[in-house]
Amino acid sequence: GAVVSQHPSWVICKSGTSVKIECRSLDFQATTMFWYRQFPKQSLMLMATSNEGSKATYEQGVEKDKFLINHASLTLSTLTVTSAHPEDSSFYICSASRGGGGGETQYFGPGTRLLVL
Amino acid sequence: AQSVTQPDIHITVSEGASLELRCNYSYGATPYLFWYVQSPGQGLQLLLKYFSGDTLVQGIKGFEAEFKRSQSSFNLRKPSVHWSDAAEYFCAVALGGSSASKIIFGSGTRLSIRP
Repeated sequence: GAVVSQHPSWVICKSGTSVKIECRSLDFQATTMFWYRQFPKQSLMLMATSNEGSKATYEQGVEKDKFLINHASLTLSTLTVTSAHPEDSSFYICSASRGGGGGETQYFGPGTRLLVL
Repeated sequence: AQSVTQPDIHITVSEGASLELRCNYSYGATPYLFWYVQSPGQGLQLLLKYFSGDTLVQGIKGFEAEFKRSQSSFNLRKPSVHWSDAAEYFCAVALGGSSASKIIFGSGTRLSIRP
């Protein structure tokens, strides 16, 4: 159990367009979801924390108007990269938390590779 | 500030040899520590985690890690590596004990296997 999916797995878009990435928890309800980005040969950097039914909390330096996050249900969070530019090209990974007390872990999706031309 | 340091950017070991990947953390409270593996172009797979209890933690694929509070370390080990272990390995610390806690990742160590 505890499977997280992302769609699409990769996307190529033109500069200036918007791209939506979906993150779904397939077999559990995720009270909290996280969005990370990973540049080539670098580590994962947390972009924002998303709680179902409330506004996302963005990390310092992440533009909330550029990276729109919606967590409308307990199984789905979306990240929309608005007016994408080549520097937004990256690997975006989400994770989902089942909630509850200590000892739980986050479950990571397989990632979405975005290339902006 | 909280941080995770993986001092080795790239390690190459021979197939069948033992492996140790180093990880040091900086966190004021009780650390919740993880090791993840990432194959090229793939997401993260959890190898093992330490939350409390026995400081020697067993994980999947024959990996183990030892938590040493006095050294602020959580090194990953494997007695005999296989070619399929070639990947990127990330050490991470959760800033809290719940699954909703933020996770901070180290910079990663790339493992190559020599035939």
